[in-house]
Formats: sequence, C-alpha cells, structure tokens
Amino acid sequence: EVQLVESGGGLVQPGGSLRLSCAASGFTFNIYWMSWVRQAPGKGLEWVANIKHDGSERYYVDSVKGRFTISRDNAKNSLYLQMNTMRAEDTAVYYCVRGGWYVDYWGQGTLVTVSS
Amino acid sequence: EVVMTQSPATLSVSPGERATLSCRASQSVSSDLAWYQQKPGQVPRVLIYGASTRATGIPARFGGSGSGTEFTLTISSLQSEDFAVYYCQQYNNWPRTFGQGTKVEIK
Repeated sequence: EVQLVESGGGLVQPGGSLRLSCAASGFTFNIYWMSWVRQAPGKGLEWVANIKHDGSERYYVDSVKGRFTISRDNAKNSLYLQMNTMRAEDTAVYYCVRGGWYVDYWGQGTLVTVSS
Repeated sequence: EVVMTQSPATLSVSPGERATLSCRASQSVSSDLAWYQQKPGQVPRVLIYGASTRATGIPARFGGSGSGTEFTLTISSLQSEDFAVYYCQQYNNWPRTFGQGTKVEIK
C-alpha cells in the first residue's frame, strides 16, 4: 500500500523558515517524480514544486522561486520542502504527492500557518 | 504559465441527472490533462488522466473528452457520492497548473 506521511508543519512568523518532510513507503521511491501541492484554507489547489526521481531536475511555481527548495533522499525514501522567507500567502495545507505529471497518490497533508 | 479556467464555478444538479464541467487552457496542452475530485475534509483523488483515460477504480459514469485547449468532464448520472469539487490540471508545461475548481452541488 502506497503511503505518504508529511510532517514539519506548524506556525511560523512572516520571514521565518520551515522544513517539511514526507516519508514514503509501499512503492519504489527512487523511480518516481515527487511533488508538493498546497491548498490555502477554503481555496483551490496549487502545484508548488516537482523533483525528478534522481533529483537532477526541479521545477517551482513562480511565487516560491528563490524561497523554497525541494529535495529528496532516496536512501531514506524521503521528500523535503525547505521554505524560507515565508509570507502570509504561504499559509496552506501542504500535500506530498507522487507524480510529476498528474498525481496518483496524496499524503494527508500538513498545515503551515504564517502569522505573527 | 498555463492558466486553466473552469466553468461554471458552481453547478446545481439533481441526483440521476447528467453533469457537464468545462476546463479551458490558455494555450494548447495537447491531451496532458487530468481531472480530480475532492470531497469536504478529504484529499483529492484522480479521476481522469490523458484527458480521457479513467484512473483505476473510477466508475464508468465519469468521462473525459477534449484536447488542445478545451476539455470536458461528464458525469452521466449523478450519484449522491459525486457531489464534490472538481479540478482540472495540465501537465504539458512547467509549472503544472490547476483550474480554480467547479463545485457540484445538490439541486
């Protein structure tokens, strides 16, 4: 059974940093693109970042370029999102998802709140 | 980035009726389009990919069509469990982008 379990969410002040982690299991992690998708409270979905199976390619939505970094550790079956210089508009549930094209599996999400 | 526009924002349908949801891309995305369903308090699930291919376990009443810039999701006979928000998403260009969603509610 495919499982994606996020951790690391919480309350952070504007300008602060947070690192999200995602533990993957139930599939061969190192052959899949992985991504982060977020959903602000009561709003729609936004694709944040993707990373190729070997980490050699990464893509970001414009609003997070230069502030967020996606990475992975295939030896640990883990995906990460380092978020710096955070803004109120980054407040959302962040989902770890499998896929770089469309999403076939979603984690349950972790809530990130940016507020003073 | 490719802007995905869904219409209508809200669709009121009676159970058993047909629902037709539209999604338009600001430039051609070929057939690189997926549809998702999200129920309150749940994570989204993929219904359709490749514009018209049903994902594993998705009932045949869900159908996708279109290519280029115009796409349609049709639910042939709405069941009670189908009332939800539906999103389209393109994967022809980076960054991947979603539409803003169509809420299908009970009439």
